[in-house]
Amino acid sequence: AQRVTQPEKLLSVFKGAPVELKCNYSYSGSPELFWYVQYSRQRLQLLLRHISRESIKGFTADLNKGETSFHLKKPFAQEEDSAMYYCALQRGSGGSNYKLTFGKGTLLTVNP
Amino acid sequence: GAGVSQSPRYKVAKRGQDVALRCDPISGHVSLFWYQQALGQGPEFLTYFQNEAQLDKSGLPSDRFFAERPEGSVSTLKIQRTQQEDSAVYLCASSLVGGSNQPQHFGDGTRLSIL
Repeated sequence: AQRVTQPEKLLSVFKGAPVELKCNYSYSGSPELFWYVQYSRQRLQLLLRHISRESIKGFTADLNKGETSFHLKKPFAQEEDSAMYYCALQRGSGGSNYKLTFGKGTLLTVNP
Repeated sequence: GAGVSQSPRYKVAKRGQDVALRCDPISGHVSLFWYQQALGQGPEFLTYFQNEAQLDKSGLPSDRFFAERPEGSVSTLKIQRTQQEDSAVYLCASSLVGGSNQPQHFGDGTRLSIL
């Protein structure tokens, strides 16, 4: 069975500082990794996925299969980045490759 | 908007009552998912539909939970004889097709409180 671990429940940084939200996973196959974000009073929405290798709102995430990690990074945090962030995994292939397995989330607060 | 719509947004029920939660997915989306999110936790998978077929119900916690999607569009999650541990946010998501790397679009959820 797969598992996603987000070791930090809370993360607080100052505006303009770099931010890194950690995500580690356990899965023996090739996973698909995602970051979802939930802003205050809004629904859960997809931020980015590793296969796209894109930067969304200044955030990037690199899949490191050796360390089984998919950390989310942004060089200069903004106040509007304050939100709950969830890392999620899907199996890359095979049975049950449709379901998302989520971590418990990290609440990011960017202080002015 | 054309997003996933869930109703009601909030539901309070007494222990032992039955509840029904509704999900209206994005038009044309074949796949529909239900997740349960307990306080302080990430969403956990409950069940998956492809059109009207329920292909996976492995995440349903007990036989008190039942989901259907009779016409391949709107889905209902029913919980019978509710218990306090059923209190959670129930999220519905849809995607164009099933399979990996398909973005799932989430609704606002239904916050269920069992007294």
